[in-house]
Amino acid sequence: GESVGLHLPTLSVQEGDNSIINCAYSNSASDYFIWYKQESGKGPQFIIDIRSNMDKRQGQRVTVLLNKTVKHLSLQIAATQPGDSAVYFCADWGPNTGGFKTIFGAGTRLFVKA
Amino acid sequence: DTAVSQTPKYLVTQMGNDKSIKCEQNLGHDTMYWYKQDSKKFLKIMFSYNNKELIINETVPNRFSPKSPDKAHLNLHINSLELGDSAVYFCASSHQDGNSPLHFGNGTRLTVT
Repeated sequence: GESVGLHLPTLSVQEGDNSIINCAYSNSASDYFIWYKQESGKGPQFIIDIRSNMDKRQGQRVTVLLNKTVKHLSLQIAATQPGDSAVYFCADWGPNTGGFKTIFGAGTRLFVKA
Repeated sequence: DTAVSQTPKYLVTQMGNDKSIKCEQNLGHDTMYWYKQDSKKFLKIMFSYNNKELIINETVPNRFSPKSPDKAHLNLHINSLELGDSAVYFCASSHQDGNSPLHFGNGTRLTVT
């Protein structure tokens, strides 16, 4: 089956710097893409999403970029703070074997150094 | 108020036992899910229900049986537990069939000894 993958399993950044987390997806039929943040002992929490008819979307301190040509998704976090330390997952939604599903990538752990 | 709540938070049991995890959402969502997260943090969908009807049933052993008494509840029953079932199980819900953000519970950590 097709899967969503991440380039880096861990990322360490200095507090105040910008963070970029990358994700490659393989399902060319995916229509909807989401980033989630998971803190220790909690469930994944929605951060930002983007649909396939867009290539950029901005939220508060976060920006998602979508490049459908190379099937690449990225999450940019501006002025990274200690509270941003968590595991970040990209996910895509689209037709898969057995129906439409949200498929998660392997996750990237972000460490923010004070 | 907790939007998606699941109980228990921790579950320790022996091989061969049968156990259940309960999930409730108060968001008015139509679709609910069970995901399994392994020790490497990989999240894999197991089941999804839309308005009490099963719409996704992944390749999961038939020892796992979801039940949705109404659209606000989706429980997971596991028979004859095995060591490999140890994981964190997350319940989630969404407005549509996934074409909108998923709202997750805080997970149930199942340890089979």
